[in-house]
Amino acid sequence: EPEVTQTPSHQVTQMGQEVILRCVPISNHLYFYWYRQILGQKVEFLVSFYNNEISEKSEIFDDQFSVERPDGSNFTLKIRSTKLEDSAMYFCASSEAQSGTEAFFGQGTRLTVV
Amino acid sequence: SQKIEQNSEALNIQEGKTATLTCNYTNYSPAYLQWYRQDPGRGPVFLLLIRENEKEKRKERLKVTFDTTLKQSLFHITASQPADSATYLCALDRDDKIIFGKGTRLHILP
Repeated sequence: EPEVTQTPSHQVTQMGQEVILRCVPISNHLYFYWYRQILGQKVEFLVSFYNNEISEKSEIFDDQFSVERPDGSNFTLKIRSTKLEDSAMYFCASSEAQSGTEAFFGQGTRLTVV
Repeated sequence: SQKIEQNSEALNIQEGKTATLTCNYTNYSPAYLQWYRQDPGRGPVFLLLIRENEKEKRKERLKVTFDTTLKQSLFHITASQPADSATYLCALDRDDKIIFGKGTRLHILP
């Protein structure tokens, strides 16, 4: 069964450093997403991406964040100047269509900022 | 802004009984509503999707209802099993994103 894969599974970084979280969406999917989940809280939408550009982003997704699809398979989330409050699980997801279809989520990257 | 409320943070149900989880939302009704399961430390896993013109959807032991007048969805698990213990997330499928509720932690007691 096809799946979304994320690497690394756990990332520890110093405050102020930059991190890149990587995702390989399902190959025939066209829509890609990043979500985050702070411990004990809900899964929050960050950004959606289609046709090599951002289609929607939340208030959380400010200038500190950026996304990229550097090649035909990877989808990355870059977080610059990490802060303690960026510590969370980050989930990548992909879907075949914009709406009305299931989203497939990866297993997440646990980011710990120290 | 759109709000999603799931009825309780935690729900304990005896094995074999039917578990019913509630999702209420404010503002406009989405074209689609989805339910996901999330286990600790894992990503959400899709369970069911229901369209605004559908009243009910079933899949094996799962049933979802969608009432756009009440702005409410009910999620039922019949003949519940300990393996059904997880957090269940209600999600509104809107434009370019899915918005999740906080979830209900369901414990099926043997």
